[in-house]
Amino acid sequence: EAQVTQNPRYLITVTGKKLTVTCSQNMNHEYMSWYRQDPGLGLRQIYYSMNVEVTDKGDVPEGYKVSRKEKRNFPLILESPSPNQTSLYFCASTPAGTVPNEQFFGPGTRLTVL
Amino acid sequence: RKEVEQDPGPFNVPEGATVAFNCTYSNSASQSFFWYRQDCRKEPKLLMSVYSSGNEDGRFTAQLNRASQYISLLIRDSKLSDSATYLCVVNRAPPYGNNRLAFGKGNQVVVIP
Repeated sequence: EAQVTQNPRYLITVTGKKLTVTCSQNMNHEYMSWYRQDPGLGLRQIYYSMNVEVTDKGDVPEGYKVSRKEKRNFPLILESPSPNQTSLYFCASTPAGTVPNEQFFGPGTRLTVL
Repeated sequence: RKEVEQDPGPFNVPEGATVAFNCTYSNSASQSFFWYRQDCRKEPKLLMSVYSSGNEDGRFTAQLNRASQYISLLIRDSKLSDSATYLCVVNRAPPYGNNRLAFGKGNQVVVIP
């Protein structure tokens, strides 16, 4: 089954404790993104990757890191989480193309930073 | 002006009725438009792409008005299962890359029995 998976789905942590949210897709998509979704705001892009070893900042990259060592995986790293990073996070993948294609989203990770 | 604007609602719709809402976008150079559906606390899923000529998928019709820079979604014969938030999504024109998207906050639809 074609899918994007994220782990963990739920996480409660404390300020400053490093964490990683994993994202994996099995569709051989070149393009992957991380978004956060907060009440009253639309989805905002944190980081994106156009292919292996190619990453770039999105609209709200502060406090986050990413890596793309393999095509299928795109982990999101919070080196020192803070309460303002409490949010619902989605990973998404899409094939490369000359026009935007359908974004396939993971099930989301609900993060609470105390 | 925000990149993508939507009236969040909620839109309370009697079962069987028709509901329509618009989404405006700010960048006239945007070329690709989508409606995504998001159920509460779940991931967005593509509902339909929006083409210049307008397109229909069953009870759903999407329209694009480039002159006024808005897209619309119409749902006919609303079902209880249509209750969701509908996200308007627009590709960001250069200098952004091709797959950089701007998301609206969504139109929340509640279908009432």
